[in-house]
Amino acid sequence: ETGVTQSPTHLIKTRGQQVTLRCSSQSGHNTVSWYQQALGQGPQFIFQYYREEENGRGNFPPRFSGLQFPNYSSELNVNALELDDSALYLCASTPTLGGYTFGSGTRLTVV
Amino acid sequence: AQSVAQPEDQVNVAEGNPLTVKCTYSVSGNPYLFWYVQYPNRGLQFLLKYITGDNLVKGSYGFEAEFNKSQTSFHLKKPSALVSDSALYFCAVRRRDRGSTLGRLYFGRGTQLTVWP
Repeated sequence: ETGVTQSPTHLIKTRGQQVTLRCSSQSGHNTVSWYQQALGQGPQFIFQYYREEENGRGNFPPRFSGLQFPNYSSELNVNALELDDSALYLCASTPTLGGYTFGSGTRLTVV
Repeated sequence: AQSVAQPEDQVNVAEGNPLTVKCTYSVSGNPYLFWYVQYPNRGLQFLLKYITGDNLVKGSYGFEAEFNKSQTSFHLKKPSALVSDSALYFCAVRRRDRGSTLGRLYFGRGTQLTVWP
């Protein structure tokens, strides 16, 4: 079993709404990153947090934002949802260089 | 520029036969390379990684991968396929971009492996 837990597992939202996805990683994993996996595609990097500060961002608009908390949990927030935001959202934590542990993901459907 | 390429969308192999899932990469410096497997409606499960050292890397569930620097390839292999190996396989490379002190993973599009009985 992975040490990274994501919630909820599934979510349905209406276009224009806001959503918050959550991730809980293992103690000591001070880096967390978020990926979006659209249907039939490989995961795409959204952003990464290290010690509660953003450290690197992919090609995603500002309506995608995040937070990392001292207890090693993290949030991904998406405002003004669009239909194309429908995807599997994956959280990954890494305790050391080169190691990435992924959660099972949150399946977001925007209708 | 694409960092990782998986040239085959699908690979089909009979159970008991060897399997190969191909991956080529494009990144400067020494690459950190990964293989992940994804079962339906699940997240990514780590199989193996190459950081440094021996070019042949052994991973979970009998999988292995060979790092070939001259061909910039990191093909995933297994000597004898199982029906339960049927899944979506992703190759990834870690790359550090400008503005970040840490790296990020760049994934290929994935290869659907089907092992038939």
